[in-house]
Amino acid sequence: NAGVTQTPKFRVLKTGQSMTLLCAQDMNHEYMYWYRQDPGMGLRLIHYSVGEGTTAKGEVPDGYNVSRLKKQNFLLGLESAAPSQTSVYFCASTRRGPGMASTDTQYFGPGTRLTVL
Amino acid sequence: KNEVEQSPQNLTAQEGEFITINCSYSVGISALHWLQQHPGGGIVSLFMLSSGKKKHGRLIATINIQEKHSSLHITASHPRDSAVYICAVGSGGSNYKLTFGKGTLLTVNP
Repeated sequence: NAGVTQTPKFRVLKTGQSMTLLCAQDMNHEYMYWYRQDPGMGLRLIHYSVGEGTTAKGEVPDGYNVSRLKKQNFLLGLESAAPSQTSVYFCASTRRGPGMASTDTQYFGPGTRLTVL
Repeated sequence: KNEVEQSPQNLTAQEGEFITINCSYSVGISALHWLQQHPGGGIVSLFMLSSGKKKHGRLIATINIQEKHSSLHITASHPRDSAVYICAVGSGGSNYKLTFGKGTLLTVNP
């Protein structure tokens, strides 16, 4: 199993450009998450999905959109990149554990380092 | 919104020392996670616990639900333990999601 993979690993954008980050998992997990990590801020949730075809906003969703058309993939889009979106982006996935109020360990991708000039 | 506080922010130890990192949170949770991140590296889950204590090798995690507090202990610390240790709390039922602490940077000197 490859686990959780992210594409690309690094990217430099100019302000106003758009791009899509791809997260893929081969563990048949129901839940998938996109986080951003900034110095001194800790990880913050951007958007998440509790199953194929569903998405929901997290703590810092503005400027981002997501889609989960297939269970194994979770895409994060930046329609018009801004310097404030310079960050390291992590994707994670987890299976639903026993019972609706329980989930399992989160598995993280290797991260995407994005710089917006 | 759950507030997650970790202490200390930075910790320097000598090889072999016993390490304790603390985590406190403000509201009830389903589970608490301890994660490890090496410099420039990815994030690895160490523990997920909702009560009591768990042990993996030299790492021990405990949680006190009534006091809303968890500790991560490292026995016989080693330079390869140098990393950022992150506490995260999970809640939300079927909309399960994590709220993260800012992390504790541990440096273990030989």
